[in-house]
Amino acid sequence: QQKVQQSPESLIVPEGGMASLNCTSSDRNVDYFWWYRQHSGKSPKMLMSIFSNGEKEEGRFTVHLNKASLHTSLHIRDSQPSDSALYLCAASPGGSNAKLTFGKGTKLSVKS
Amino acid sequence: DPKIIQKPKYLVAVTGSEKILICEQYLGHNAMYWYRQSAKKPLEFMFSYSYQKLMDNQTASSRFQPQSSKKNHLDLQITALKPDDSATYFCASSPGTGGSQNTLYFGAGTRLSVL
Repeated sequence: QQKVQQSPESLIVPEGGMASLNCTSSDRNVDYFWWYRQHSGKSPKMLMSIFSNGEKEEGRFTVHLNKASLHTSLHIRDSQPSDSALYLCAASPGGSNAKLTFGKGTKLSVKS
Repeated sequence: DPKIIQKPKYLVAVTGSEKILICEQYLGHNAMYWYRQSAKKPLEFMFSYSYQKLMDNQTASSRFQPQSSKKNHLDLQITALKPDDSATYFCASSPGTGGSQNTLYFGAGTRLSVL
């Protein structure tokens, strides 16, 4: 059973629109979350991380975290065609030997 | 310049053969990893090393053997290759282990095709 669930599987938004992606962990030990972006044929690159309850904003990207529900969301405003990619959520318990577990991802397409 | 170098970029192998995937990182990180990604499965953890010591192994098969000759070097040897091993293998590193130190930085990957 996948421990990191992402939704939706795919998402199409118009250029300039808002994209909202969701991620939930089923592992109660998880304490740290990351969002990675992977363009087609490329490697994943860390987009944002969030380790505390609340919200974090960097430019057009905002992440939210609710530790009680182990849910994080990524919001992209003013979406651009270059934002079209696979967005991966990763979670970790944070111990010294804790690996990152990734979800299957949300494939975002931004249509101009 | 890429800070995590993976070689080769593409690899074609025949069933039953053996291959070695190379990875070197120049980020000064203390931990290195191998992940695998295929069309059938999401990005999947395989191994983690810290200061050249194996920390975690989630690969069920002994056909996959990591090799670390230096702190910034982690190769992956795969023996008795099967078509099901076809995937992109990503090497990654992190500043340390634990908490925010676990943030992963990925290499460009080696795309392996087993015929």
